[in-house]
Formats: sequence, structure tokens, C-alpha cells
Amino acid sequence: AQSVTQLDSQVPVFEEAPVELRCNYSSSVSVYLFWYVQYPNQGLQLLLKYLSGSTLVKGINGFEAEFNKSQTSFHLRKPSVHISDTAEYFCAVSPSGGYQKVTFGIGTKLQVIP
Amino acid sequence: SAVISQKPSRDICQRGTSLTIQCQVDSQVTMMFWYRQQPGQSLTLIATANQGSEATYESGFVIDKFPISRPNLTFSTLTVSNMSPEDSSIYLCSVPGGAGGQTQYFGPGTRLLVL
Repeated sequence: AQSVTQLDSQVPVFEEAPVELRCNYSSSVSVYLFWYVQYPNQGLQLLLKYLSGSTLVKGINGFEAEFNKSQTSFHLRKPSVHISDTAEYFCAVSPSGGYQKVTFGIGTKLQVIP
Repeated sequence: SAVISQKPSRDICQRGTSLTIQCQVDSQVTMMFWYRQQPGQSLTLIATANQGSEATYESGFVIDKFPISRPNLTFSTLTVSNMSPEDSSIYLCSVPGGAGGQTQYFGPGTRLLVL
């Protein structure tokens, strides 16, 4: 079984400042890792995913994440946030190899302050 | 990526009643998933709906409470039966995508408030 821990429930950050949203996972098998974003009153949208290969993954809207196997982490970063980045961000994990059940973290609310 | 729509987008219901949520996908897919997102919590998988077979429910969810239909490869419904205030949640459907189906694409969700 897999589990995901998002260490921060809320992260306030000033506009144009950098941000890091933390995610740790546990699994006894190799995994795929995902970050999804949920804007107010909308469904979830895929930001980026790690399946294999380079541990630094770039996604939409200037976000990137780095897979660290030794620390079982997949932290999400953006060098300069915008007001429009205000949303809830979910880290997710699934066993690798075709479709498998996805386990989601509890989410981190990013509040960008003008 | 798949385009997914859900109806209704939101509803307010009285306890003891039932609500059926519809999910429509713009392409044919074998698997569809139903999730619940309770206030302040993460997404929890309710069940997997495959066309032509019974839905597979996750631990803690039963067919009598959450009956699911999957009449064809582009459509599914989830019914929330005999509702109580604890059923107030966002209900989302999703479909797998990407090479190998590792990614999930989500509908916009149905926001349900039970009074």
C-alpha cells in the first residue's frame, strides 16, 4: 500500500516570491508520482508527473518537482508565484506499471498575497 | 486529454432523498472512477466502473448506498442514496489517460450539500 503526506495544509506567500510545497510518500514498490491543482470551484488538473527518467520534472504554469528516492520526496516548486496560482495542490502516488490505484495527499492550499 | 462533464454542478438536497450524478466523457474509455472529496479532506476513491460489468467498490463503500451505472463507454452515473449531512461532499468522476493510463483526468465535480 502507498501513502502520501503533504506536510503543510496552508502556505501563504507573497506574489513574485518563490514557493515550495512539500510531499513525502511511502511505498514498498516503485511508484509514479503526480501533482494536481484544483482551482476554486473546479475539478483537478494535472500539473506534472514523474514516471521514470530525469528526476527533475517540469510541468505547466512554470511549476517543477524533483523526485528524491532516498528521501521519498516529491516537492513542488515555482521560482515566482502569481496571484492566479492561488489554489489547492494535491500530491498523489500510484504503483508503477500501467493503471493502478492512485492515492492522494490531503492537499496544500497555496494563498498568494498581492 | 479527455474532456469530462458532470451534471449537476451543484445541488442542495434534503436528508433521506437520493441524487444521481451524471458523468459524460468525450471519448470511449473502458474504466471510469468515482471519487469523494469531503470538506477539508483529500480524494477518496469510491468505486471503479467498467462498462459491461458490476462496479468495484473500495473498502467502506457499498452498492446500496452508491449504486453506479455504466451503460456505455462514454457515460456513467453515481447515485447517492438515502442522503445524510455526512454525504455533503464534492463528487468527481475521472478517467485514465496518457500512455499506459497512468494519468487521471477529472471532471469539474458535483458539489452536494445535504441539509
